[in-house]
Amino acid sequence: RKEVEQDPGPFNVPEGATVAFNCTYSNSASQSFFWYRQDCRKEPKLLMSVYSSGNEDGRFTAQLNRASQYISLLIRDSKLSDSATYLCVVNSAAGGTSYGKLTFGQGTILTVHP
Amino acid sequence: GAVVSQHPSWVICKSGTSVKIECRSLDFQATTMFWYRQFPKQSLMLMATSNEGSKATYEQGVEKDKFLINHASLTLSTLTVTSAHPEDSSFYICSARRGSGTDTQYFGPGTRLTVL
Repeated sequence: RKEVEQDPGPFNVPEGATVAFNCTYSNSASQSFFWYRQDCRKEPKLLMSVYSSGNEDGRFTAQLNRASQYISLLIRDSKLSDSATYLCVVNSAAGGTSYGKLTFGQGTILTVHP
Repeated sequence: GAVVSQHPSWVICKSGTSVKIECRSLDFQATTMFWYRQFPKQSLMLMATSNEGSKATYEQGVEKDKFLINHASLTLSTLTVTSAHPEDSSFYICSARRGSGTDTQYFGPGTRLTVL
């Protein structure tokens, strides 16, 4: 089983749509969770961290369910510029020299069309 | 914000040559840097963790004699792909962590390596 699993998609949605991505992780000791965005042939960029209480940043809402080891990202009112690959990322180390080791999911491709 | 640069941004080389990629943290000191590799249509895979002044920690399956990592200062880490072969062609991305009390990593723009 992969450490971090995502539905690879692709998701093709019209502008204005709401789209949700899901992610599961296997290591129950994981400490921190993130969503990154990666544009074609570019480096990943941090979209938002994910907290147990859930957090929102504009049109983006992230949720974490530690009991189910499940993370989600909701994008409302999709824009053309939201087209990218969305990476679910988990810090699986509890401490020591491995602190900060990130494990990436395979990514979910989103295409927003006019 | 924290800026990480990589050089070169792309490189094409012949099989058997060695290629050095530099990763620099421009406006902060990075105690730890990470090297990732990404093949087409795949996600980033961590290759090694590099701590300033000590030997790098390699992930399982990554040959330390082939991928030499040097982290000689708090702002510079280098990855040397020795005797590169076509199967080493990939997108190599570094990231830097500011200190031990955070898990936020700042990514460089990546280096696209093509081995002919």
